[in-house]
Amino acid sequence: GAVVSQHPSWVICKSGTSVKIECRSLDFQATTMFWYRQFPKQSLMLMATSNEGSKATYEQGVEKDKFLINHASLTLSTLTVTSAHPEDSSFYICSAIGNLATDTQYFGPGTRLTVL
Amino acid sequence: GQSLEQPSEVTAVEGAIVQINCTYQTSGFYGLSWYQQHDGGAPTFLSYNALDGLEETGRFSSFLSRSDSYGYLLLQELQMKDSASYFCAVAGSNYQLIWGAGTKLIIKP
Repeated sequence: GAVVSQHPSWVICKSGTSVKIECRSLDFQATTMFWYRQFPKQSLMLMATSNEGSKATYEQGVEKDKFLINHASLTLSTLTVTSAHPEDSSFYICSAIGNLATDTQYFGPGTRLTVL
Repeated sequence: GQSLEQPSEVTAVEGAIVQINCTYQTSGFYGLSWYQQHDGGAPTFLSYNALDGLEETGRFSSFLSRSDSYGYLLLQELQMKDSASYFCAVAGSNYQLIWGAGTKLIIKP
């Protein structure tokens, strides 16, 4: 159980375009999902906390107008990188709380974004 | 501030035992988790400790001492496939995880 999918697994886009990444909890309902980005050989950096039916909570330094998050249902959260630039190239990973008692986060497989 | 300290790299031999330590300094504490991440992949959950003591799951064990703000991950009978980065993380408020920088485990035959 506790499977999280992410789509697409990789994407290459031109500078200035927008990219949408989907995160789905396949066999459980996730009221809370998290979006991370990770640069090579670095730890995960939390970008935002996504709560179903409400606005996302962004971490300091993360532009909410650039990284749009929508959590419209208990099984789906989306991250849209608007007007992407090469510096946005990164590994984006979502996670969902699969066990409220232990706060265990289950991660999607990640999306590797390359902006040309 | 909030921080977790863990070694950046550990090297061990196949078949041996290795311990990865983690010390934390956080404003809230709801448990210490360990995650494994292979190159190019996403983290996968390994273990969780909310109370002091040792939790064992197969070849992996995790220990917590809340009074010392310290925990460790113990890997036994190391296999080449265990080569990965290992992250400790503290569960804080709002279910968020505060992450360590990760320990790269290098296993030699």
